[in-house]
Amino acid sequence: AQSVTQPDIHITVSEGASLELRCNYSYGATPYLFWYVQSPGQGLQLLLKYFSGDTLVQGIKGFEAEFKRSQSSFNLRKPSVHWSDAAEYFCAVSRSNDYKLSFGAGTTVTVRA
Amino acid sequence: DTGVSQDPRHKITKRGQNVTFRCDPISEHNRLYWYRQTLGQGPEFLTYFQNEAQLEKSRLLSDRFSAERPKGSFSTLEIQRTEQGDSAMYLCASSSASGGLEDTQYFGPGTRLTVL
Repeated sequence: AQSVTQPDIHITVSEGASLELRCNYSYGATPYLFWYVQSPGQGLQLLLKYFSGDTLVQGIKGFEAEFKRSQSSFNLRKPSVHWSDAAEYFCAVSRSNDYKLSFGAGTTVTVRA
Repeated sequence: DTGVSQDPRHKITKRGQNVTFRCDPISEHNRLYWYRQTLGQGPEFLTYFQNEAQLEKSRLLSDRFSAERPKGSFSTLEIQRTEQGDSAMYLCASSSASGGLEDTQYFGPGTRLTVL
C-alpha cells in the first residue's frame, strides 16, 4: 500500500521569506503526486500536480514542486510567502491504476509579520 | 464551472440519529469521491463512483454508511445510528473520466459533522 509522509507538522515562516514543505511517499512504481491547500473550515484547493514529464512543476499562487524519484520526494516550495499563505498543506499520491488519493497528515504553515 | 458543492456545511446531531449529506459535482465530471477527515489528519478515502456505479468502498465504510449516486449526477452519503466517532469533516470530490488515468480531483467545501 502506498503511504505519504509529511515530516513537519508545523512550520512558522516570516512574511517574505522562502518556504519549503517536505513530502515523501512509498510506492513501487511512479506515482501521481499532488499538493492541496486547506484554509480553516474549508475544503481542499489543488495547488499543483505531477503525472509525468518535467519533474519541476509550477502551480498556482507562486508555488512549485519538484519530483525526485531517487529520494521518493515531492517537496513544495515558494520563494516569498505572503500572509495569505497561512493554511494547512497536504501532499497526496495516487497510483496509475487506482484513482483514490492517499494523503499525508498535513503541515500547518503560520506566517508571522 | 461552479465547483463542487456540499450540503449542509455543518450538521450537529445526537448519537443514534441518522444523517444524510449531499454532494453536487462539477457538471461534466462523471467520477465522484467521498473522503473523511478527522482533526489533525489528512483526508481518508471512503468510496467512489463512476457515473452511477459505486466501484470501490474502503474498509472505513462500515455497514452504517451508505452512499448513492442514483442518476450519475449528485450523490448522497447516509450515516445510520451515528456514533461520536463519526464526528469529522466529510469531503466530496469529483473528476472527469476524460483525464483517463491522470485523474485530478476537485474538492467541495465539506460537511462538518458533530455527534453529541
